[in-house]
Amino acid sequence: DQQVKQNSPSLSVQEGRISILNCDYTNSMFDYFLWYKKYPAEGPTFLISISSIKDKNEDGRFTVFLNKSAKHLSLHIVPSQPGDSAVYFCAASESGGANNLFFGTGTRLTVIP
Amino acid sequence: EADIYQTPRYLVIGTGKKITLECSQTMGHDKMYWYQQDPGMELHLIHYSYGVNSTEKGDLSSESTVSRIRTEHFPLTLESARPSHTSQYLCASSEAHRGYTFGSGTRLTVV
Repeated sequence: DQQVKQNSPSLSVQEGRISILNCDYTNSMFDYFLWYKKYPAEGPTFLISISSIKDKNEDGRFTVFLNKSAKHLSLHIVPSQPGDSAVYFCAASESGGANNLFFGTGTRLTVIP
Repeated sequence: EADIYQTPRYLVIGTGKKITLECSQTMGHDKMYWYQQDPGMELHLIHYSYGVNSTEKGDLSSESTVSRIRTEHFPLTLESARPSHTSQYLCASSEAHRGYTFGSGTRLTVV
């Protein structure tokens, strides 16, 4: 049973517009959430994270929002750039668990110039 | 500059061969992980280690084995490769459980 879900396998956005990537989770014990970005033939690279004590974390063009009651988080990229085209993975972990990250299936973002 | 290295990047090998995928990190991290990813699928944890001489199986059953004799080295071995082992294998390490650093991955094809 998948604990972290990314229901949109792909997303296309015009350059300069906002990209919104969504992620849902089922385990209420998750207390730390991360977004990773992955280019083809490369490993994922850390993008941004958020702790469950917050509902928003911002880093430059990237903002992550967390809605604990809905068990939902989203990544906003604004303005989107062609270099943002990649697969984005949502991940979650719980403090008291095995300290392992659980990943979603990823969303492929294409930013159209 | 990468602090975690995986070799080879690409490997095509015949059925029945023994292979070892290398993973080394220079950050002194105690925790290391192996993930397997098929196209369009999530990353599945197949092995992890919390330190030297510590190895555990992950969420996804795998016929591979791992060893952790040195902190910086976490190789993965398949004794007899099969086409079902074709996948991308990603190694990661972390200082704490809050976020991993991934290697570039090994794309394995078994023919």
